[in-house]
Amino acid sequence: NAGVTQTPKFQVLKTGQSMTLQCAQDMNHEYMSWYRQDPGMGLRLIHYSVGAGITDQGEVPNGYNVSRSTTEDFPLRLLSAAPSQTSVYFCASSPGGTGELFFGEGSRLTVL
Amino acid sequence: KQEVTQIPAALSVPEGENLVLNCSFTDSAIYNLQWFRQDPGKGLTSLLLIQSSQREQTSGRLNASLDKSSGRSTLYIAASQPGDSATYLCAVRIGDDKIIFGKGTRLHILP
Repeated sequence: NAGVTQTPKFQVLKTGQSMTLQCAQDMNHEYMSWYRQDPGMGLRLIHYSVGAGITDQGEVPNGYNVSRSTTEDFPLRLLSAAPSQTSVYFCASSPGGTGELFFGEGSRLTVL
Repeated sequence: KQEVTQIPAALSVPEGENLVLNCSFTDSAIYNLQWFRQDPGKGLTSLLLIQSSQREQTSGRLNASLDKSSGRSTLYIAASQPGDSATYLCAVRIGDDKIIFGKGTRLHILP
């Protein structure tokens, strides 16, 4: 059972470049979300989706875009990377409502 | 505004001891509370999920309790082992779309 799959695991970008972090889940979960984790800051919610075609902003959405065209996929786009976006990014999913939250392995992004 | 606090931030205990990790939250209107484990450089692994109507959940050497009225949850680890060394995070779900995380307790089990 694959669960939540994130790609790539590591990425180095230059300031101003764009890229997409991929997230896919095979559990038919309604809820999907993206977090960033920084030392001393804990996990902060970037964007989330409660179903295909529905997305909303979290705590730190600036500089990031998302879309949810299918139940399985929830990509995170960095439009113009900045050094402040250097972080570890986690995708998570749950059945929604009161369901258990499952995480991917993370994507470590460095912006030079 | 819901806030989730985990104290202490770090804890070291000798192998074999039983230990308790604490999680407190400011608003008792939660859907559920979940405990996670995170190893260095890895993702979060779900340990236990307690629904708002439940008082505790158990899995092997782990037992998590929930007291909504006092805004507290504890994770009890029995007979600790060096492999239990990790960061433990708790998270409360306060809506279909809102999950608030604590900053975690970094646990080190001394061989």
